Amino acid sequence: GDSVTQMEGPVTLSEEAFLTINCTYTATGYPSLFWYVQYPGEGLQLLLKATKADDKGSNKGFEATYRKETTSFHLEKGSVQVSDSAVYFCALRMEETSGSRLTFGEGTQLTVNP
Amino acid sequence: EPEVTQTPSHQVTQMGQEVILRCVPISNHLYFYWYRQILGQKVEFLVSFYNNEISEKSEIFDDQFSVERPDGSNFTLKIRSTKLEDSAMYFCASTRGTSSYNEQFFGPGTRLTVL
Repeated sequence: GDSVTQMEGPVTLSEEAFLTINCTYTATGYPSLFWYVQYPGEGLQLLLKATKADDKGSNKGFEATYRKETTSFHLEKGSVQVSDSAVYFCALRMEETSGSRLTFGEGTQLTVNP
Repeated sequence: EPEVTQTPSHQVTQMGQEVILRCVPISNHLYFYWYRQILGQKVEFLVSFYNNEISEKSEIFDDQFSVERPDGSNFTLKIRSTKLEDSAMYFCASTRGTSSYNEQFFGPGTRLTVL
């Protein structure tokens, strides 16, 4: 079945450091790809998405490019802030499924220290 | 800004008891979902619901689980006889449509603890 694998966490960085969180996927068709973020005590929020190969999703300084050849959707940010501390989830969705469920990775806890 | 709400935020129950987790989706949304996350594990899909019926369910969603939209605003998940392994964070989500252009909005979750 479809699956998503994220790099193992947690990740701890200093403010203004470069962030990469790796995400790879396995799917039988052509999924749409998403990054969700969960701040403490809150629900999952959509951070960015890409719906086809070579698309780049971006939001709040975060970017991820849909790489079909490597089945990857790595999340990057050039300069992290303390406020970016959260759990980040990579996910895919196949529109062919009747309910369009999201399939999530394990989540990566990011802590940014001042 | 409209949001998905869930109650209670934390539910503690004894093994074998029935629990009902409640969600109020965003008002003009048509598709509703339940996901769960066992501590330290992935967020897993349980069930999707559209037009007053289940549109898809995972293998986790066995006969112990049921969903209902009893009135036009609430969307509930019932677990008939809870097991220790049902302890998890349960997330409700809703969306207007199923294309990738329609974001799934998530609630803050209900933490279920089965003793």
